Amino acid sequence: GENVEQHPSTLSVQEGDSAVIKCTYSDSASNYFPWYKQELGKGPQLIIDIRSNVGEKKDQRIAVTLNKTAKHFSLHITETQPEDSAVYFCAASISDKLIFGTGTRLQVFP
Amino acid sequence: DVKVTQSSRYLVKRTGEKVFLECVQDMDHENMFWYRQDPGLGLRLIYFSYDVKMKEKGDIPEGYSVSREKKERFSLILESASTNQTSMYLCASSTGRGLGYTFGSGTRLTVV
Repeated sequence: GENVEQHPSTLSVQEGDSAVIKCTYSDSASNYFPWYKQELGKGPQLIIDIRSNVGEKKDQRIAVTLNKTAKHFSLHITETQPEDSAVYFCAASISDKLIFGTGTRLQVFP
Repeated sequence: DVKVTQSSRYLVKRTGEKVFLECVQDMDHENMFWYRQDPGLGLRLIYFSYDVKMKEKGDIPEGYSVSREKKERFSLILESASTNQTSMYLCASSTGRGLGYTFGSGTRLTVV
């Protein structure tokens, strides 16, 4: 069936470094790609999203890139801070629903 | 801000009990969803609803049912709880199909 693959499953970086999380999707009709951040004890929160007619979107230290031909999209976090530590999920719209990746646990060490 | 409220943060139930997980949203969203979250498996869709009294099976509906009698409320029912249903359950709502979801804080259910 349709799915979304996410890598890596865990990522450790030093404070101030950049972090990149990558996802691939299978349905070429997907046209919406959100990213969620889940902090301990909370539900996932939308942090940034991109539509298929756009190749890149930035919001302060966070950016998302989309390559429709290759069917992959990535989350980039620059100048990481300890409060960026969380689990991050990518998702793709498939058949009017969002299908989620398996998550990346990001740890930012001071 | 849209608010999705799940009635319980933590629940402990016995095997065989009937369990109700309640979810309420306050922004008149048409679409509501129930996911379960397990380590290494991400978020898996159990059931969803695009309208009152409407429900559709997601990827893992076995052992669950749902009820949507009012637009703002979507309930997940475990007819006879089993230990393999121990998990984090997340409710979400959205304004449009396939668009960004707003999640509740989750209910961590333990079945003993």
